[in-house]
Amino acid sequence: GAGVSQSPSNKVTEKGKDVELRCDPISGHTALYWYRQSLGQGLEFLIYFQGNSAPDKSGLPSDRFSAERTGGSVSTLTIQRTQQEDSAVYLCASSLRGGDRLPTDTQYFGPGTRLTVL
Amino acid sequence: GQQVMQIPQYQHVQEGEDFTTYCNSSTTLSNIQWYKQRPGGHPVFLIQLVKSGEVKKQKRLTFQFGEAKKNSSLHITATQTTDVGTYFCAGLVYGGSQGNLIFGKGTKLSVKP
Repeated sequence: GAGVSQSPSNKVTEKGKDVELRCDPISGHTALYWYRQSLGQGLEFLIYFQGNSAPDKSGLPSDRFSAERTGGSVSTLTIQRTQQEDSAVYLCASSLRGGDRLPTDTQYFGPGTRLTVL
Repeated sequence: GQQVMQIPQYQHVQEGEDFTTYCNSSTTLSNIQWYKQRPGGHPVFLIQLVKSGEVKKQKRLTFQFGEAKKNSSLHITATQTTDVGTYFCAGLVYGGSQGNLIFGKGTKLSVKP
C-alpha cells in the first residue's frame, strides 16, 4: 500500500507570503505528526494529531504556524507571513495509534516538503 | 530548557569496525526513540525504549536505556556500508499532561569500504 505522501515536495516563497503544506497519512492511521528539520539540526517536533484533534500543539514555534486535520486523514500545516528562519524540511509522519502517551507506535515518515523562504 | 545532547556529531569508521552514538538528556525521559536517516532520505523509526535499564537488539544494532532514564546509546557491531546515515535519538518528556518529543542533533556515520 501507499506510504505517507506530502506535497509539494519543494516550495520556494517570498518572505511575508503564506504557505500551505499537505500531508496524506497512511490509510487507517489515527495519529499524525508534523516535524521540521533545519539544515544541520535534529528533528523538531511541531504538532501531533489524534484523529482530528490536536492534544499537543506545544511544538508550534509561533502563532504564525497552524495545522488542521479533517476527516481524520489529510492534514495541512499553514505558515503565515513566512520568515527566512522558517526555511526547513517539513516532515509528516503517521502511526496506527497515538494514545495518551505519544508516540506509542511505529511512525512512518513522508518524504518531506523543502521550504525555502527568500 | 530541556535538551537532548547527542555525541559524537560525526563518526568515520572503516567497514567492520564498531560504532556507538550516545544521547544524554537534561531531564528524565518517559521513553526514547531512535531513528535512522539515509543521505537524502527521511528519518526511519528504528526502536523505542521505555523501561529503565532496557536493552534491545536488532541484528547488529544494540540499544540501551540508562537506569536513570536520562541517557541512551546505540551500538552497531561490525559496521557495513549500508549503515551509512545519520542516527537520531528522540526523548519524550512530560510536563504536566503535555508530552514533548525532543530530538538530538544526530550522529552522522560514514563507513569506508
